[in-house]
Amino acid sequence: GAVVSQHPSRVICKSGTSVKIECRSLDFQATTMFWYRQFPKQSLMLMATSNEGSKATYEQGVEKDKFLINHASLTLSTLTVTSAHPEDSSFYICSACLLLAGRNTDTQYFGPGTRLTVL
Amino acid sequence: GENVEQHPSTLSVQEGDSAVIKCTYSDSASNYFPWYKQELGKGPQLIIDIRSNVGEKKDQRIAVTLNKTAKHFSLHITETQPEDSAVYFCAAAIYNQGGKLIFGQGTELSVKP
Repeated sequence: GAVVSQHPSRVICKSGTSVKIECRSLDFQATTMFWYRQFPKQSLMLMATSNEGSKATYEQGVEKDKFLINHASLTLSTLTVTSAHPEDSSFYICSACLLLAGRNTDTQYFGPGTRLTVL
Repeated sequence: GENVEQHPSTLSVQEGDSAVIKCTYSDSASNYFPWYKQELGKGPQLIIDIRSNVGEKKDQRIAVTLNKTAKHFSLHITETQPEDSAVYFCAAAIYNQGGKLIFGQGTELSVKP
């Protein structure tokens, strides 16, 4: 149980285009999901907290108009990288916070990641 | 805010030996400490976690210890196997504070057969 999927797993796009990444909790509900980015040989950097039915909360230094987040249901959050540039190339990972009895638990389960390459 | 330091950055052991990875945290309010294993090109996988109301937790070959007074926690892997080779991350969070995890820098563990 507690499986999180991401789609696509890899994407290559041209500079200036937008890319949408989906994060789904497959066998549990999650009112809260998180989006991270990870550069090679580095730790995970939290970009934003995605809350079902409300606006995302962005970490300092992360442009909300650049990285659009939508959390329309208890099992799906999407991250759209708008007008992507080569410096946006990275490994994007989502996680979902297990919801039990209507309350968030501490436990976060991570998706397999999406490798974005912007040419 | 919370800061998590993780050591060592790389660790090489012989198969069958034990491996220990240590983390320290700065915010005494943190009360949830998970460990994740990340294989190359994949997302992190939760392997064990501990809450501040216990000092030690064990799951087969993996154990985690927590010293709240010193604000440090450690991952212990016994009888290491080549498939344990990966990058391990510790993290800290405050329960009921939105679940935000603060990650350590990661430890690249290499288990030599």
